[in-house]
Amino acid sequence: DTEVTQTPKHLVMGMTNKKSLKCEQHMGHRAMYWYKQKAKKPPELMFVYSYEKLSINESVPSRFSPECPNSSLLNLHLHALQPEDSALYLCASSQDFRTSGVNEQFFGPGTRLTVL
Amino acid sequence: QQPVQSPQAVILREGEDAVINCSSSKALYSVHWYRQKHGEAPVFLMILLKGGEQKGHEKISASFNEKKQQSSLYLTASQLSYSGTYFCGPLTGNQFYFGTGTSLTVIP
Repeated sequence: DTEVTQTPKHLVMGMTNKKSLKCEQHMGHRAMYWYKQKAKKPPELMFVYSYEKLSINESVPSRFSPECPNSSLLNLHLHALQPEDSALYLCASSQDFRTSGVNEQFFGPGTRLTVL
Repeated sequence: QQPVQSPQAVILREGEDAVINCSSSKALYSVHWYRQKHGEAPVFLMILLKGGEQKGHEKISASFNEKKQQSSLYLTASQLSYSGTYFCGPLTGNQFYFGTGTSLTVIP
C-alpha cells in the first residue's frame, strides 16, 4: 500500500470554528509532513514530524496545531482561522527524515479548506 | 530564498523535447523533482544526488551541477500525460523546499 489518505476532502469553516484535518499512511514511514498550497503556487512546508516528534515548524501561526498520535497518523488542528488561510492542505510521508535526501515523499490528495 | 525555475511556462506539441531549469542560492547536496497535475497531489519523479547518483521512477533524465547550484530536467519525446506543473526541490539540511514551478502543457 503506497497511499497517503487525507480526510476530509473539502472543509468550509467559520473564523470561530475548531476543526481538524486527518492524514494516514500505512507504509511504515517515520516522517510525516504538512504543506499549505495556494492556487498556482508551490506547496509551502508547514511542519515535519520525525518518529512522532516535531522536527520542523516553519514559523506557522499558533492557530494551526499539529499532532502525531502514532507513526501512521498525523492531524492538523485548526482554530480561529482567517480567510487568508483558505488553501489546499497537503500531507506527505517519507521513509525517514534523517535520510530525506535519498527518500521521496508520497503525497495525499489534500484537503481543500475554505475559511469564511 | 525559494529556488527559481525557468521557464515559468512552456507549451509543447507531442513528441517535442523540453528542458526545465532550477537554480538555488544555496549549496546543493541533492535535488528532488515532482510533477503536479491540476487538482492532484504532487508525484515524485526523481532524486539527484551528489556524485551523479539518481533515483527515479520514470523515463525522465536530469542533471545536477553542484558548482553552479543548478539542476535541469530533460523531457524527451513528450506525451500528453507529461502535462502538469513541475517543481524542483533542492535539499537544505534534511528538508527540500519547492521551487517556483514550471507549467508544462503538451498539445496534440
